[in-house]
Amino acid sequence: DQQVKQNSPSLSVQEGRISILNCDYTNSMFDYFLWYKKYPAEGPTFLISISSIKDKNEDGRFTVFLNKSAKHLSLHIVPSQPGDSAVYFCAASAGGYQKVTFGTGTKLQVIP
Amino acid sequence: GAGVSQSPRYKVAKRGQDVALRCDPISGHVSLFWYQQALGQGPEFLTYFQNEAQLDKSGLPSDRFFAERPEGSVSTLKIQRTQQEDSAVYLCASSLATRTNTGELFFGEGSRLTVL
Repeated sequence: DQQVKQNSPSLSVQEGRISILNCDYTNSMFDYFLWYKKYPAEGPTFLISISSIKDKNEDGRFTVFLNKSAKHLSLHIVPSQPGDSAVYFCAASAGGYQKVTFGTGTKLQVIP
Repeated sequence: GAGVSQSPRYKVAKRGQDVALRCDPISGHVSLFWYQQALGQGPEFLTYFQNEAQLDKSGLPSDRFFAERPEGSVSTLKIQRTQQEDSAVYLCASSLATRTNTGELFFGEGSRLTVL
């Protein structure tokens, strides 16, 4: 049972344009959501997070949007840069416990 | 070092062999997690330690998997009688905090296990 779903395995975007990565979840108990970025042969690194009491969180070029009624979140990267090319994992946790459930990832390629 | 260190980076085992994977978390980090990442999948939770206490081992796939953190720092994940389905990258993560919204997880580079 995949509780966090990333239905797009890959995405290609031109440099300078917006990248939008989507994520859906099924567990209503999830109250904290995170995005991780992973380069080949490295571990995931934390990118940005959002609590369920908010619907938007922004950090520089990265913005995460949360739609609780739809159980959907998205990550926007504006403007996209070639260095953003990586696999992005959506993740979620419940009750403040750090056990994080990950999606299957979306591979983003930013074309110069 | 400044980050989470895992060893070995690569391990090839014959089916039936026992393997041990080591994780050195960031000094002072209370929380330690092990995750398993199969090819093309996201990391899947295996087990969680808070200091030396193993508080959650619900993700361990079978009794062939065993993890310990005896002194609350270094952790070892042991897999007995390895099977081909155990082939994956094993990721270790640590955190200063015990709650998600008060501290991020820092991941190591992973140990890639291939069982022949």
